[in-house]
Amino acid sequence: EAQVTQNPRYLITVTGKKLTVTCSQNMNHEYMSWYRQDPGLGLRQIYYSMNVEVTDKGDVPEGYKVSRKEKRNFPLILESPSPNQTSLYFCASRSRLDKNIQYFGAGTRLSVL
Amino acid sequence: RKEVEQDPGPFNVPEGATVAFNCTYSNSASQSFFWYRQDCRKEPKLLMSVYSSGNEDGRFTAQLNRASQYISLLIRDSKLSDSATYLCVVNERDSSYKLIFGSGTRLLVRP
Repeated sequence: EAQVTQNPRYLITVTGKKLTVTCSQNMNHEYMSWYRQDPGLGLRQIYYSMNVEVTDKGDVPEGYKVSRKEKRNFPLILESPSPNQTSLYFCASRSRLDKNIQYFGAGTRLSVL
Repeated sequence: RKEVEQDPGPFNVPEGATVAFNCTYSNSASQSFFWYRQDCRKEPKLLMSVYSSGNEDGRFTAQLNRASQYISLLIRDSKLSDSATYLCVVNERDSSYKLIFGSGTRLLVRP
């Protein structure tokens, strides 16, 4: 089954404690992206990657890091989480040959206390 | 000004009603347009693409007006299962990966 898998689905942490949210896709997609979704603001892109070892900042990259060492994986790293990073996070992937369909993971609900 | 603007709703309609959502975008260079559907606390999923000539998929009709930078989604014969948030999405350039999402319009279909 074609899918984007995020882990964990839910996470409560404290300010300053480094965390990683993993994202993996099994569709051999070139493009991957991370979004955060906040009430009234919609989905905002954090980082994106157009292929292995190619990453770039989205609209709200501050406080986040990513890496793309393998095509299937695109982890999101919060080196020192803060309460304003409490949000719902989605990973997504897309084939460069089919721009119309972006597949999203099920989401990670993060609370930073 | 937001790049993609939508009326947040909620639109509260009875089953069987016809409802229309509108969306405006600010970048006239935008190339591709989509409607995504998002159920509560779930991931967005592509509902349909929007083409200049307008397109229909069952009870759903999408239209694009490039001159006015305006996109619409019409749902006929609303079902309870249509209750969700509908996201207007714009891709600025076909070669770009960046999709710009509106904040969504919430639809509630009541029995």
